[in-house]
Amino acid sequence: VQLLESGGGLVKPGGSLRLSCAASGFTFNTYSMTWVRQAPGKGLEWVSSISSSTDNYIYYADSVKGRFTISRDNAKNSLYLQMNSLRVEDTAVYYCVKDGSSGWYGAHWGQGTQVTVSS
Amino acid sequence: DIQMTQSPSSLSASVGDRVTITCRASQGISNYLAWFQQRPGKAPKSLIYAASHLQSGVPSKFSGSGSGTDFTLTISSLQPEDFATYYCQQYYDHPLTFGGGTKVEI
Repeated sequence: VQLLESGGGLVKPGGSLRLSCAASGFTFNTYSMTWVRQAPGKGLEWVSSISSSTDNYIYYADSVKGRFTISRDNAKNSLYLQMNSLRVEDTAVYYCVKDGSSGWYGAHWGQGTQVTVSS
Repeated sequence: DIQMTQSPSSLSASVGDRVTITCRASQGISNYLAWFQQRPGKAPKSLIYAASHLQSGVPSKFSGSGSGTDFTLTISSLQPEDFATYYCQQYYDHPLTFGGGTKVEI
């Protein structure tokens, strides 16, 4: 299993970024996927999850609801996170996570991509 | 939302020690509980799912137990590579929630 995130960077408050996660080594469309973030020196915070292609469930943390959009392209084995109206408190390392076969737990994690929101 | 409380928040131990970390859920979550290890500067790694099932490739010195609201992660015979921060996570319901972490130090 490989999960390779990209798209992070430095952005001003109010700006936008789109994170991508290229997945390989497993049948992508049969697994739910999740984004988890970690602010500097802090613990893990769940951001958003999307179910496998057989279902149609999407979940967001209250802290990002209405600003972030999760999506997936099963043909490209890719997961995305569109982040709009970014705030300073969104600064974190964002991890792409492949959930387990029996639930929404992070069986495999990417190496993370840094998002910094600062003026 | 389901709150996850880990204790202790940090502990000091020696190589060869047996260590136990506790995670408590604010409501019953059956066995929908996972444990992760995070070494400094690295991504988290899955250790245990369904409270007591070892993730593939994880050594048997890690074990988990519990059901309902109270869970434990035990590391038998600590090795230098085990000094890290450990997190629990409930996946009984969304929003998914993590414990605050337990830092295991030398």
